[in-house]
Amino acid sequence: EPEVTQTPSHQVTQMGQEVILRCVPISNHLYFYWYRQILGQKVEFLVSFYNNEISEKSEIFDDQFSVERPDGSNFTLKIRSTKLEDSAMYFCASFTPDGTYEQYFGPGTRLTVT
Amino acid sequence: GEDVEQSLFLSVREGDSSVINCTYTDSSSTYLYWYKQEPGAGLQLLTYIFSNMDMKQDQRLTVLLNKKDKHLSLRIADTQTGDSAIYFCAEGGSSASKIIFGSGTRLSIRP
Repeated sequence: EPEVTQTPSHQVTQMGQEVILRCVPISNHLYFYWYRQILGQKVEFLVSFYNNEISEKSEIFDDQFSVERPDGSNFTLKIRSTKLEDSAMYFCASFTPDGTYEQYFGPGTRLTVT
Repeated sequence: GEDVEQSLFLSVREGDSSVINCTYTDSSSTYLYWYKQEPGAGLQLLTYIFSNMDMKQDQRLTVLLNKKDKHLSLRIADTQTGDSAIYFCAEGGSSASKIIFGSGTRLSIRP
């Protein structure tokens, strides 16, 4: 069964550093998403991406965040200058309108900012 | 704004039915989902229901939707130890839209 993959599974970084979280969506999918889950809290939508541009973003997705699909395969989330409160599990998801109505989620990257 | 609420914990005896309840606020929600998250794992879609349906059954899972009250429930029949997980209720406006998640209900199974 096709799956979304994410790397790394765990990233530790110091406050103020830049991090890039990587995702490989399912190959024929057209819509891509990032969500995050701070420990013990809800899964929150960050951003959706379609046709090589952001289609929607949440209030959380400020200027510190950016997304890119650099090579038609990977989908990345960059945090320019990490803050302690960016520590969370980050989930990538992908979707295509093939009648299944399912956004497929990756296993997540746990980001720890120290 | 959009919000999804669910109780945080549920404990059931193995073999009994589990019922997890959820309420949502967005009356324009088209899709309502139940996701399962096992420890250390990602989010697995269990089932979904369209807002124009009242009920959907899929093997041991039954989803009931009361659109008037914006209430969604997930019933798991014959609950097994492998059903221990966090269950997230979620809603979306269209199939490609962002998904709004509840806080998750942690289901624990006692012998």
